Amino acid sequence: NAGVTQTPKFRILKIGQSMTLQCAQDMNHNYMYWYRQDPGMGLKLIYYSVGAGITDKGEVPNGYNVSRSTTEDFPLRLELAAPSQTSVYFCASSYGQGYSNQPQHFGDGTRLSIL
Amino acid sequence: QQQVKQSPQSLIVQKGGIPIINCAYENTAFDYFPWYQQFPGKGPALLIAIRPDVSEKKEGRFTISFNKSAKQFSLHIMDSQPGDSATYFCAAISSGNTGKLIFGQGTTLQVKP
Repeated sequence: NAGVTQTPKFRILKIGQSMTLQCAQDMNHNYMYWYRQDPGMGLKLIYYSVGAGITDKGEVPNGYNVSRSTTEDFPLRLELAAPSQTSVYFCASSYGQGYSNQPQHFGDGTRLSIL
Repeated sequence: QQQVKQSPQSLIVQKGGIPIINCAYENTAFDYFPWYQQFPGKGPALLIAIRPDVSEKKEGRFTISFNKSAKQFSLHIMDSQPGDSATYFCAAISSGNTGKLIFGQGTTLQVKP
């Protein structure tokens, strides 16, 4: 029972490089989310998806893109990495949006440094 | 307003003490208030949650107190243990807002032996 799996766990990028953070869940959850966590700032929602083929922006979407071609996978892409994107990125999933369909299940994160 | 304000930022207690973490919100549309616990190197995990139609919820040593009129809620950890040392996040969500959790800033708790 893997839950939410994120890869890679750590990555160092140079400014201007691009990369894709992978996220997969095996709980057949409809809703998936990407957050970034910065010290003292809590978690901020980047993008979310309510099902395959449907994505929408969260609170801090600039510099990121997502796609959702299957229920299981929700990759996050950084096109031109900037130092401000140094953070810990968490993927989460939930069955639905109402309180009865919580909680959100989180992966263990990808720690990304951009130098 | 979508913010959830959490305090204190950090907290140190002795084993057996009762740390209290407080959160305040402004959006009266929020209808579910979870608390997440996060250990170093791990993702947040749901600890306990409450809906605004109750004033208190207990699960083991963890208790949420909820004051709807003041738009405040707090987490109490009874008989705290060193294993409770972690970062705690309060959050809020509105069912009508596509499941988007709004997180507080987090509280780092250290329980000394």
